[in-house]
Amino acid sequence: EDKVVQSPLSLVVHEGDTVTLNCSYEVTNFRSLLWYKQEKKAPTFLFMLTSSGIEKKSGRLSSILDKKELFSILNITATQTGDSAVYLCAPVETSGSRLTFGEGTQLTVNP
Amino acid sequence: DAGVTQSPTHLIKTRGQHVTLRCSPISGHKSVSWYQQVLGQGPQFIFQYYEKEERGRGNFPDRFSARQFPNYSSELNVNALLLGDSALYLCASSLAPGRMNTEAFFGQGTRLTVV
Repeated sequence: EDKVVQSPLSLVVHEGDTVTLNCSYEVTNFRSLLWYKQEKKAPTFLFMLTSSGIEKKSGRLSSILDKKELFSILNITATQTGDSAVYLCAPVETSGSRLTFGEGTQLTVNP
Repeated sequence: DAGVTQSPTHLIKTRGQHVTLRCSPISGHKSVSWYQQVLGQGPQFIFQYYEKEERGRGNFPDRFSARQFPNYSSELNVNALLLGDSALYLCASSLAPGRMNTEAFFGQGTRLTVV
């Protein structure tokens, strides 16, 4: 059965701190891995990673995938209160029929 | 362009009743997936539909069913509701399954409360 483990489950930091969120996975027929940010309801898309070692960046957020060790990390530098959310990772099978989500990391950024 | 739209946004039902949730995908997207998110957990896959055919099914009982219409919108039906069905139901839209560069975009969800 597919398995996704995110760590830490919860993280509280101060504005300006840098955080690293972890995602390890065991998925048969792996195709890609997606990261989402969920504040209230709809998870909003952050990154799609398909190749190992290639860092994706968007402003203060960056992410990288290691397909050999089966994990991904999401980095957020100079955190802001607006970064407070649950961050979800989800590997995708080659069939593309489903996303398998981890429990998520609840990030709280205090002023 | 409108994003993924779901209706209703909130719903309260009594145990034993049935419910129908609706989803309209992003224009041009032909694949719709449904997820259940219980408080404090990540979304759990229920169904995926593409071109009106079921392409994947998660580990949910037969009380859960879905369909996709010619305009690619979709309905999720849940019969004989249980208290444990209370959750946020999310719909995700994508171009098509099996394509390398296909992200999935989520709607705002329907918050179902079963009392």
